[in-house]
Amino acid sequence: GENVEQHPSTLSVQEGDSAVIKCTYSDSASNYFPWYKQELGKRPQLIIDIRSNVGEKKDQRIAVTLNKTAKHFSLHITETQPEDSAVYFCAASITGYALNFGKGTSLLVTP
Amino acid sequence: GAVVSQHPSRVICKSGTSVKIECRSLDFQATTMFWYRQFPKQSLMLMATSNEGSKATYEQGVEKDKFLINHASLTLSTLTVTSAHPEDSSFYICSALEDSEYFGPGTRLLVL
Repeated sequence: GENVEQHPSTLSVQEGDSAVIKCTYSDSASNYFPWYKQELGKRPQLIIDIRSNVGEKKDQRIAVTLNKTAKHFSLHITETQPEDSAVYFCAASITGYALNFGKGTSLLVTP
Repeated sequence: GAVVSQHPSRVICKSGTSVKIECRSLDFQATTMFWYRQFPKQSLMLMATSNEGSKATYEQGVEKDKFLINHASLTLSTLTVTSAHPEDSSFYICSALEDSEYFGPGTRLLVL
């Protein structure tokens, strides 16, 4: 089955700096790669996703890049704010659902 | 976006009892729903895929006789944890499929 690795497990940045989280996947058939933000005790919230026919996608301060050859994808958050602090999960899927999640990255943005 | 609810939000039960968790899609019909489990400070793990009108599909290592899933309507899937034990204590999250997966708020189960 699909195996998704996520790094780093924790990330601390100063407000205004950029944060980058990286994931790799094992199944070359995967073609859907969402990123979720989860605050403590809350549901995961989809923040951005990318499909395998696109190399990069941007939404305001958030961007995702995909390298299908290397089987890795990354989340970039620019101009970080304290409210960006949360756990971020990457995921991969062949079907577009029934997601295989990475282990998560706990992001802390300090003022 | 689409709204998914879960009930209850948290439940405490005694070891050996059964607990039912409901997942509802509030503003859309969902032929397919999913059940995930999340242990503290860990990732979400897919347990099973719930299909309306047919049997659920379980992921490897998930006991179908312990985690009973019923998807009797296009807006409701239920997960019953039978003969719950302390190791079943976890955060159970459902999702419903529309244009993408929409997650419910989760149910925190504590088995004493």
